[in-house]
Amino acid sequence: QVQLQESGPGLVQASGTLSLTCTVSGYSVISTNWWSWVRQPPGKGLEWIGEIYHTGSTNYNPSLKSRLTISIDKSKNQFSLRMTSVTAADTAVYYCARLGGYNYWGQGTLVTVSS
Amino acid sequence: QSVLTQPPSASGTPGQKVTISCFGSSSNIGKNAVNWYQHLPGTAPKVLIYSTTQRPSGVPDRLTGSRSGTSASLAISGLQSEDEGDYYCAVWDNSLSAWVFGGGTKLTVL
Repeated sequence: QVQLQESGPGLVQASGTLSLTCTVSGYSVISTNWWSWVRQPPGKGLEWIGEIYHTGSTNYNPSLKSRLTISIDKSKNQFSLRMTSVTAADTAVYYCARLGGYNYWGQGTLVTVSS
Repeated sequence: QSVLTQPPSASGTPGQKVTISCFGSSSNIGKNAVNWYQHLPGTAPKVLIYSTTQRPSGVPDRLTGSRSGTSASLAISGLQSEDEGDYYCAVWDNSLSAWVFGGGTKLTVL
């Protein structure tokens, strides 16, 4: 059974850095798949943040690209999101997921940016 | 403004058939596989359709995904109260090199 689980601080200071990790179980991150981050701000729709392949190749949402780093740790079967210079607009539920083919999603974690 | 266009709302009575559309372009729906999700408050998005027409195990066959040109559709027949929720389409966009989501459709069962 494949499971994805997000972890990280639920509260981040404005202008600070948001860091989240997704731990994958029941499936290897080095399989032929891209691993994504998706978020949903309160009252708004789903927004794709970016993705990473096991080789380290990445694709980012053009509107967020300058603030993003997505990395992968094959030894821990994890991938991570780092977003800098956060503002209240980055307050959202953050999900890790595999979007291509048969989908897998984490349960999501709420990150609140406080001023 | 979303790259993919969905109607903001849809509704039907129990037993009816409802279709939710997702309009895109030749750089996304016209070339790539489409996913459909149901999203309920406080839960993770549930994939209903992947690869345009495929249903994950556990999703009833009264839900059907299809594509015509640069638009995709999710048809729900035999509408039930449990079908209420927000529905999103998603697809890879070759021009943006990014996944794009529709703005979402709120389905109400009257």
